[in-house]
Amino acid sequence: AQKVTQAQTEISVVEKEDVTLDCVYETRDTTYYLFWYKQPPSGELVFLIRRNSFDEQNEISGRYSWNFQKSTSSFNFTITASQVVDSAVYFCAQETSGSRLTFGEGTQLTVNP
Amino acid sequence: DAGITQSPRHKVTETGTPVTLRCHQTENHRYMYWYRQDPGHGLRLIHYSYGVKDTDKGEVSDGYSVSRSKTEDFLLTLESATSSQTSVYFCAIRQPGQGVETQYFGPGTRLLVL
Repeated sequence: AQKVTQAQTEISVVEKEDVTLDCVYETRDTTYYLFWYKQPPSGELVFLIRRNSFDEQNEISGRYSWNFQKSTSSFNFTITASQVVDSAVYFCAQETSGSRLTFGEGTQLTVNP
Repeated sequence: DAGITQSPRHKVTETGTPVTLRCHQTENHRYMYWYRQDPGHGLRLIHYSYGVKDTDKGEVSDGYSVSRSKTEDFLLTLESATSSQTSVYFCAIRQPGQGVETQYFGPGTRLLVL
């Protein structure tokens, strides 16, 4: 069975600090997809990134970067120079067979001014 | 904007009453999903649909039923609401983008069962 673990329930940083959100997944599938979503205080879910299991290249988008390592079954998310607007709950998810998503429990990130 | 609306956005109901939540999409996506979000559990799949009248159960389907009689609407019904079904319910569609398909979510419905 698929499982996604986000061990950090809450993280608090001061603005401009770098912060890494951890995600560890479990699967027996050789083909799978991993995602990150952001849920700001307003409550909507915002798609950030999708990665497939055959592409281990790290991704950078502005202040956001993602490190995918199959050897450790991890898909970690780093925010560089954090800002108050980054405060949100961040979810890691894995797509299973039947195109279903299995989510981690989420990490609440608070960026203080 | 994935063109997903959910109605109602907020609802308070009493234990034992039936409740129907509606998800509406405007872009003819084949796949639609219902999730619930609870503290400490992230989002969990209730039911999903892969076409008109084609549905399947998710991880937490007990106490819920769904229907999809037309492409644009996916209904979630709580036959007899219980307090444990107090939650935030999200609908999602699966949409192609940049050669891959990704789930995009509606704004959510907050349901309180008293």
